[in-house]
Amino acid sequence: GAGVSQSPSNKVTEKGKDVELRCDPISGHTALYWYRQSLGQGLEFLIYFQGNSAPDKSGLPSDRFSAERTGGSVSTLTIQRTQQEDSAVYLCASSLDTGRGSGYTFGSGTRLTVV
Amino acid sequence: SQKIEQNSEALNIQEGKTATLTCNYTNYSPAYLQWYRQDPGRGPVFLLLIRENEKEKRKERLKVTFDTTLKQSLFHITASQPADSATYLCALDMQRDDKIIFGKGTRLHILP
Repeated sequence: GAGVSQSPSNKVTEKGKDVELRCDPISGHTALYWYRQSLGQGLEFLIYFQGNSAPDKSGLPSDRFSAERTGGSVSTLTIQRTQQEDSAVYLCASSLDTGRGSGYTFGSGTRLTVV
Repeated sequence: SQKIEQNSEALNIQEGKTATLTCNYTNYSPAYLQWYRQDPGRGPVFLLLIRENEKEKRKERLKVTFDTTLKQSLFHITASQPADSATYLCALDMQRDDKIIFGKGTRLHILP
């Protein structure tokens, strides 16, 4: 597609429920990143996929968070047993290779509210 | 500890003037530094990248400097316009692990 697409754009869930957030990167971009942004905070790195390499999961805050990328394209971020502190905007980005030529292209994010 | 500092207070600049935003970092050695613009409800948009061996980079009305001795980058918008109002984020790329670390951003308001 023309840009990075994320769905849903908004998600309200009850504490304790599982949620799945989807990211459809730009076609041909080998790298895919998940960040989250809390109110008044910077972007916090979560996970990074590059081609067929093992993902860099060093930013995942707990084992309730997991992500997969199928066929080198679409990615799903799953949060199990959601907590109120998980409320944030979850941003996905993709880039050609490492993004050092043209930076990252971000989606508009999924705003997650845990009530 | 490692820190990226951007002015947390909003910056108000009169239309037509040059806006200068600062990004300072501590205990990082970035090989690259990027600047992004973020509008409310949107994801960041890439603006410019500067390498550690470059002192200055320009793109239209934008200019970025990178001083690895001072551990500082300056982001300038010349002839500023109200449409330039947004939050501007700097991001450090250490190169070793292929992901970038973002500052919290500075909100810029260009006053007509």
